[in-house]
Amino acid sequence: DAGITQSPRHKVTETGTPVTLRCHQTENHRYMYWYRQDPGHGLRLIHYSYGVKDTDKGEVSDGYSVSRSKTEDFLLTLESATSSQTSVYFCAISENTSGSLKNTGELFFGEGSRLTVL
Amino acid sequence: GDSVTQMEGPVTLSEEAFLTINCTYTATGYPSLFWYVQYPGEGLQLLLKATKADDKGSNKGFEATYRKETTSFHLEKGSVQVSDSAVYFCALSGSNYQLIWGAGTKLIIKP
Repeated sequence: DAGITQSPRHKVTETGTPVTLRCHQTENHRYMYWYRQDPGHGLRLIHYSYGVKDTDKGEVSDGYSVSRSKTEDFLLTLESATSSQTSVYFCAISENTSGSLKNTGELFFGEGSRLTVL
Repeated sequence: GDSVTQMEGPVTLSEEAFLTINCTYTATGYPSLFWYVQYPGEGLQLLLKATKADDKGSNKGFEATYRKETTSFHLEKGSVQVSDSAVYFCALSGSNYQLIWGAGTKLIIKP
């Protein structure tokens, strides 16, 4: 199994508070992703990173920020949590060895972080 | 833009039944296609993939064939087990390091 650890695994917080989710990998993979999973929506990409300090927005990035200061850590921050951000958050990693921009598609996922915003 | 459409679930079958989960896609160029599986309480894991037209991906008794003429990548298994109960996601490789995901199909297998 790929070495991916998400923390915390469960969190309950109140509207307006800041929240940071951490993803830690031991695989030295270049690419890291944050997704959210909601019923009826499948997986939606929030932000991704293609290297240290190199990040970009996904399709649902509003209200979220990320940082990657080391290869192994990718942090997702909700500056001021809202009830619409109640979700299960998944971190994923991949290593593109194709030499092209096209993702090889082989993602390895963490076990998820369930966030409830009251 | 690129998109993936999966049949809606849940799909409920009896053990040893034949399974088909439909997946069709819209894409420019020649994407790779994937099936991921998510067991209860876990993250997703890659089940199988196909990288070009007419390729067949297979794993754990599941198969899917990349059909460019019908833009489809249907998942099949000849005899399902209770342990196959999970959510199945079809996906394609978009540009810029991203995957395009279907909404997922929940599969329930009854003994």
